[in-house]
Amino acid sequence: AQSVTQLGSHVSVSEGALVLLRCNYSSSVPPYLFWYVQYPNQGLQLLLKYTSAATLVKGINGFEAEFKKSETSFHLTKPSAHMSDAAEYFCAVTYFGNEKLTFGTGTRLTIIP
Amino acid sequence: NAGVTQTPKFQVLKTGQSMTLQCAQDMNHEYMSWYRQDPGMGLRLIHYSVGAGITDQGEVPNGYNVSRSTTEDFPLRLLSAAPSQTSVYFCASGTGNYEQYFGPGTRLTVT
Repeated sequence: AQSVTQLGSHVSVSEGALVLLRCNYSSSVPPYLFWYVQYPNQGLQLLLKYTSAATLVKGINGFEAEFKKSETSFHLTKPSAHMSDAAEYFCAVTYFGNEKLTFGTGTRLTIIP
Repeated sequence: NAGVTQTPKFQVLKTGQSMTLQCAQDMNHEYMSWYRQDPGMGLRLIHYSVGAGITDQGEVPNGYNVSRSTTEDFPLRLLSAAPSQTSVYFCASGTGNYEQYFGPGTRLTVT
């Protein structure tokens, strides 16, 4: 079975500060990992994905994530937060040949002006 | 392309009523799925389909039925609504390259 754990259901950062959202995974096979963003009253949108190529993955809107097998982590970062980054972020996991995603419980990001 | 569309956007049901949530996609994706989103629980997979005529259960299938007669459509049926089915429901379609596109959601309240 696979799972992801997102540490911190709510994170607040100041505008211009570093954004760090944490995700740790558990998987008995090599994982494929994803970050999705959900803006209020909308569906989810893919930010970035790791599918066993480069361990540092760049996504949309200036976000990136690094796959660290030794730490079983896939944390999401952005160097400088914008007000428009306020949303809920979900980490998800699957594996090769499987389109079914297992999601974490989400982290709500608030940006302080 | 319209992407993934869902209807209705909002629905209120009484306990015991049945209804169908509609989902359609115009991207010719083979993979489609239904999730429910509840506070503090993330998204949980209800049912999924890897192509027309093929469906399977996800993590929380009880109380829901699906069918997939065409590539484009993947309706979700609530057989006898219960208050525990109050949730936001999302339909998604997948490219086959591990990228999924989500619809805008249906907010369902069961009283």
